[in-house]
Amino acid sequence: QVQLQQWGAGLLKPSETLSLTCAVYGGSFSGYYWSWIRQPPGKGLEWIGEINQSGSTNYNPSLKSRVTISVDTSNNHFSLKLSSVSAADTAVYYCARGVVGATSFHYYYMDVWGKGTTVTVSS
Amino acid sequence: SYELTQPPSVSVSPGQTASITCSGDKLGNKYACWYQQKPGQSPVLVIYQDTKRPSGIPERFSGSNSGNTATLTISGTQAMDEADYYCQAWDSSTGVVFGGGTKLTVL
Repeated sequence: QVQLQQWGAGLLKPSETLSLTCAVYGGSFSGYYWSWIRQPPGKGLEWIGEINQSGSTNYNPSLKSRVTISVDTSNNHFSLKLSSVSAADTAVYYCARGVVGATSFHYYYMDVWGKGTTVTVSS
Repeated sequence: SYELTQPPSVSVSPGQTASITCSGDKLGNKYACWYQQKPGQSPVLVIYQDTKRPSGIPERFSGSNSGNTATLTISGTQAMDEADYYCQAWDSSTGVVFGGGTKLTVL
């Protein structure tokens, strides 16, 4: 059974860089897209971006200028960096496994999620 | 950018059928999926590729998608189904898109 374990700094000051890592245990790393999603307090889910085993990335256009997602295939890890954070970046950050393919249309759904990391940005 | 719209809240009596809608331009030409999220927990996939249920999801959860609207239907709603529900699709320009979420209250 695949599990995602995530970790990283939970308290940041404005202008610092958020850094989180997610490890994949119990399953294949290849053949999937690995995503980061965030949820501000009391609000909905926002997709941040994704990466696959080959290092191919896609980012939410609204965050693209500040986001870098990288992969470490030797350890089945993938990581998120978000630069120049502000209070608006305060959220619970989740990592998730994306299942991607196409039949009639392109499909993308996330079937395994990490437990989430609370990140607070405050001076 | 592509957007998905959900009603903020839906109420249902125990044992009745709850329907949660998700609207987007030509959404029927995309695959929709649905997540359930209970307070303090990570989202759980309940429907994928419009109509499919992952292993372990009760049969009372079903989905449909046509035209501009995808619908999550919960038949014989139980108190344990009270949660926030999010629809999600993929768009070639925007990437992964979530709806704003719907709070389901079982009265």
